[in-house]
Amino acid sequence: DSGVTQTPKHLITATGQRVTLRCSPRSGDLSVYWYQQSLDQGLQFLIQYYNGEERAKGNILERFSAQQFPDLHSELNLSSLELGDSALYFCASSGTGLSNQPQHFGDGTRLSIL
Amino acid sequence: GENVEQHPSTLSVQEGDSAVIKCTYSDSASNYFPWYKQELGKRPQLIIDIRSNVGEKKDQRIAVTLNKTAKHFSLHITETQPEDSAVYFCAASILNQGGKLIFGQGTELSVKP
Repeated sequence: DSGVTQTPKHLITATGQRVTLRCSPRSGDLSVYWYQQSLDQGLQFLIQYYNGEERAKGNILERFSAQQFPDLHSELNLSSLELGDSALYFCASSGTGLSNQPQHFGDGTRLSIL
Repeated sequence: GENVEQHPSTLSVQEGDSAVIKCTYSDSASNYFPWYKQELGKRPQLIIDIRSNVGEKKDQRIAVTLNKTAKHFSLHITETQPEDSAVYFCAASILNQGGKLIFGQGTELSVKP
């Protein structure tokens, strides 16, 4: 158990819909990262938050957005879903959000678009 | 931006043999290099990491080496066991760009009993 909690574990929905993925970081960690894992793209960084503020952004689509709340949990919102958005979405957390800190991953949310 | 190349994509060894996985990175400002093990359907699990001010780090049967001049780092697993079978990912993080990890493409390691 990494201490990072992600819900839900599975999501099945249709094209055009909107979903919200939730992540609670490890106790004491201030930074949250979101990654997408698909078969053809591997593990891709989406976005990072540190203590409520956006810290870094990857190749995140405009249809995707995220935020980190005062209690440090984070939500990733995916809208206008397409078949290609089917993937595993992982959240990770680290203490400070600096570049040399270990990141621990949650168990992920498997998103299936029908 | 940073690019991380990982080789080989698949690796099959006999139980008890050693396994080596290699990665190269492009951005000389990279300063942190973790390795993750991912079993089928599970989360990536951090197994070892190394910072740019260190050339080698060892933890029991696992070791990582870093060559900053050549911009490559390697994972070494000795006395492999069937439970080492998994996909291994290397990653790099760049100084002053937050903590985002850029991952290699992964190596599927199979340890045959």
